[in-house]
Amino acid sequence: SYELTQPPSVSVSPGQTASITCSGHKLGDKYASWYQQKPGQSPVLVIYQDSKRPSGIPDRFSGSNSGNTATLTISGTQAMDEADYFCQAWDNDHVVFGGGTNLAVL
Amino acid sequence: QLQLQESGPGLVKSSETLSLICTVSGASISGSNYYWDWIRQPPGKGLERIGSIYYSGGTYYNPSLKSRATISVDTFKNQFSLKLTSVTAADTAVYYCARRVVPAARGDWFDPWGQGTLVTVSS
Repeated sequence: SYELTQPPSVSVSPGQTASITCSGHKLGDKYASWYQQKPGQSPVLVIYQDSKRPSGIPDRFSGSNSGNTATLTISGTQAMDEADYFCQAWDNDHVVFGGGTNLAVL
Repeated sequence: QLQLQESGPGLVKSSETLSLICTVSGASISGSNYYWDWIRQPPGKGLERIGSIYYSGGTYYNPSLKSRATISVDTFKNQFSLKLTSVTAADTAVYYCARRVVPAARGDWFDPWGQGTLVTVSS
């Protein structure tokens, strides 16, 4: 079965750029989405179709997808961005979620 | 503004049936290009899709649930529901309902999600 692999944790200093990766076989041939989940809250879509931002999502959030890796980039990271981030893709009509990455803003 | 709200018992006994309802407000559940999904998250773990339904009744289920799940829709009440039979402790999770957007180019995404409801399976 298809798998998406994310690093368990990433840390970043306030104001710096955070990059969270999601790896899967030929992931660049598929579309990737990203979700932010803060403690005790439900996931919120932050990126869809690799690089599109839903309305209301700050433009410091961006995405890319090529080869075997999709990347969520947060520029000028703020304390409010501390959360778990999940990637998601489709493989043969099946949804696949990554295991999630905890972003710590230190 | 589209909102989804899960409701149902927070405690279910082992071997019994888990039943949840998702109430959709702010938009019709009968819209095209949208499916309605159930996704769960065991405490401290990742996300697992349970299945989905289209307003006309077409369904999909995660094979890993081994036919224990049934999803139905009530377009008049603008609700869809989940039943999961023969539950065990492994089914303890936060259960979310979500709208799945299905664009022509595929690459579906889930937006928005309900607030989630914790269901604990007790022995």
